[in-house]
Amino acid sequence: EVQLVESGGGLVQPGGSLRLSCLVSGFTFRNYAMHWVRQAPGKGLEYVSAISDNGKTTYYIDSVRGRFSVSRDNSKNTLYLQMSSLRAEDTAVYYCVKPEYSGGWYPDCWGQGTLVTVSS
Amino acid sequence: EIVMTQSPATLSVSPGERATLFCRASQSVSSNLAWYQQKPGQAPRLLIYSTSTRATGAPARFSGGGSGTEFTLTISSLQSEDFAVYYCQQYDNWPRTFGQGTKVEIK
Repeated sequence: EVQLVESGGGLVQPGGSLRLSCLVSGFTFRNYAMHWVRQAPGKGLEYVSAISDNGKTTYYIDSVRGRFSVSRDNSKNTLYLQMSSLRAEDTAVYYCVKPEYSGGWYPDCWGQGTLVTVSS
Repeated sequence: EIVMTQSPATLSVSPGERATLFCRASQSVSSNLAWYQQKPGQAPRLLIYSTSTRATGAPARFSGGGSGTEFTLTISSLQSEDFAVYYCQQYDNWPRTFGQGTKVEIK
């Protein structure tokens, strides 16, 4: 059974930093790209970042580029999202997502999410 | 960025009735379109990918259709567990984008 378990969320002041982790099991982590998707309270879904299977290629949406950094440790089956210079608008539940491929990579399995609250 | 627009925002349906949800892309996404179901306090769950392929575990009453820029999700006979928010998402281009969601509520 595929499992993705996020951790590291919490309350942080504007301008602060936080590192999210996602521990995965039930599939061969090193063979898959991985994605982060977020959802602000009461709002819709927004792609944040992606990383290739070997970690050499990354992607960020414009609003987080330069502030967020995605990485992975394939020996630990763990995905990370380092967030810095956090803003109120980064407040959201952050989901770790395992994609599958069919014409393109789409979100297949989702973690339960971890809540990040940016507030003074 | 491809903008995904869902309609209606809210759909009021009685149990046992048929529901059709719509999703429009601002440019062609070929067949690279997925649908997700989200219930309160839960993560989204994949229902449909490649426009019309049901995900593992998705009930047969869910079906997807369309191509290019116009897509539909049909629930043939609504069950109590189907009342939720549904999102479409294109994965043809980066950034991947989602529609704003359609809430299916009990009439």
